[in-house]
Amino acid sequence: GENVEQHPSTLSVQEGDSAVIKCTYSDSASNYFPWYKQELGKGPQLIIDIRSNVGEKKDQRIAVTLNKTAKHFSLHITETQPEDSAVYFCAAKDNFNKFYFGSGTKLNVKP
Amino acid sequence: EPEVTQTPSHQVTQMGQEVILRCVPISNHLYFYWYRQILGQKVEFLVSFYNNEISEKSEIFDDQFSVERPDGSNFTLKIRSTKLEDSAMYFCASSGTSRDTQYFGPGTRLTVL
Repeated sequence: GENVEQHPSTLSVQEGDSAVIKCTYSDSASNYFPWYKQELGKGPQLIIDIRSNVGEKKDQRIAVTLNKTAKHFSLHITETQPEDSAVYFCAAKDNFNKFYFGSGTKLNVKP
Repeated sequence: EPEVTQTPSHQVTQMGQEVILRCVPISNHLYFYWYRQILGQKVEFLVSFYNNEISEKSEIFDDQFSVERPDGSNFTLKIRSTKLEDSAMYFCASSGTSRDTQYFGPGTRLTVL
């Protein structure tokens, strides 16, 4: 089955800097890659997603890139703010509509 | 903004007991899911449910698990005879016509003693 690996497990940046979180997947048939933000005491919240027929997608300060050949995708947050501090999860959906999650990255944005 | 709700937020039970975790998905959604996250591990897919039947399930979702949509609003996960290793956070999610866009509830922390 699919296996999603996520790095780094923790990331500390200064407010205003950029943050990049990377994920790799194993199943070349996976076709949908969402990113979730999880704040303390809450469930994961979808922040951006990308499909396998697209290489990049941007939404304000957040962007996601996908390299299908290398089977990796990344989340980019620019101009980070303290409220960006949370745990971020990547995921991949396989051909059987099952979602596989990465292990999460705890992002700390220092004011 | 509509949201997925889950009750209880924390459930403590003895090994071997049955538990039912409850979820109220977003009202016009069609697809329903359960995930679990054991402490320190990845979020794992358990099951998806559509049109009153299971559409996909993982290897984790064995005979001790069952799901039900008993009425038009609730979606439940039953664990028949809990084991210590069932201790985890259980998340419910739902999605609408855009099946891939899942909205997660806040989770139920299940502790099996």
